[in-house]
Amino acid sequence: SQELEQSPQSLIVQEGKNLTINCTSSKTLYGLYWYKQKYGEGLIFLMMLQKGGEEKSHEKITAKLDEKKQQSSLHITASQPSHAGIYLCGAPPFSGSARQLTFGSGTQLTVLP
Amino acid sequence: DAGVTQSPTHLIKTRGQQVTLRCSPKSGHDTVSWYQQALGQGPQFIFQYYEEEERQRGNFPDRFSGHQFPNYSSELNVNALLLGDSALYLCASRRGSSYEQYFGPGTRLTVT
Repeated sequence: SQELEQSPQSLIVQEGKNLTINCTSSKTLYGLYWYKQKYGEGLIFLMMLQKGGEEKSHEKITAKLDEKKQQSSLHITASQPSHAGIYLCGAPPFSGSARQLTFGSGTQLTVLP
Repeated sequence: DAGVTQSPTHLIKTRGQQVTLRCSPKSGHDTVSWYQQALGQGPQFIFQYYEEEERQRGNFPDRFSGHQFPNYSSELNVNALLLGDSALYLCASRRGSSYEQYFGPGTRLTVT
């Protein structure tokens, strides 16, 4: 079965700093979802990457998919306290699918004002 | 446009009891999935419903069952509750084969 490993597990940064979160898969990636979760709450859809080399941006958050490395990275520029939360990556079982997603354990981001 | 809604928000049950959780998908969505998220872990897929039938199932015992109604809303039932069933239960919906999947706020289940 597929496993997703996120690094780091937790991250504390000063407001205004840039940061990167990585998600590495044990198997071929057929796409990669990024979600943000406030503690104990539902997941907020950030973006979905479908093809190797694809890069998407939403406000100050940029995500990229590297199929060869079976990895995706999420980069936040000029972090703000509103970026704090748990970032989760999820992968579908095959290309073009939004079926059962396998998720990583999450990266807990704290942004200090 | 209301997003995915779930009820109740919180629930406390005793071991051995049964529980029913409810989910209303986002408007226009016809596919509902349920996930279990233990503390400090990522969500784990339980099952997915489309056209009132279970289409996909994760590695969960038969104590976990579900239903989808003609209006696309869904229920998750868990029988013979165990302490290990304590978790945040998340419902997600999408439209057809769309890759955009939206999650509800979850139901926090505590089994004592």
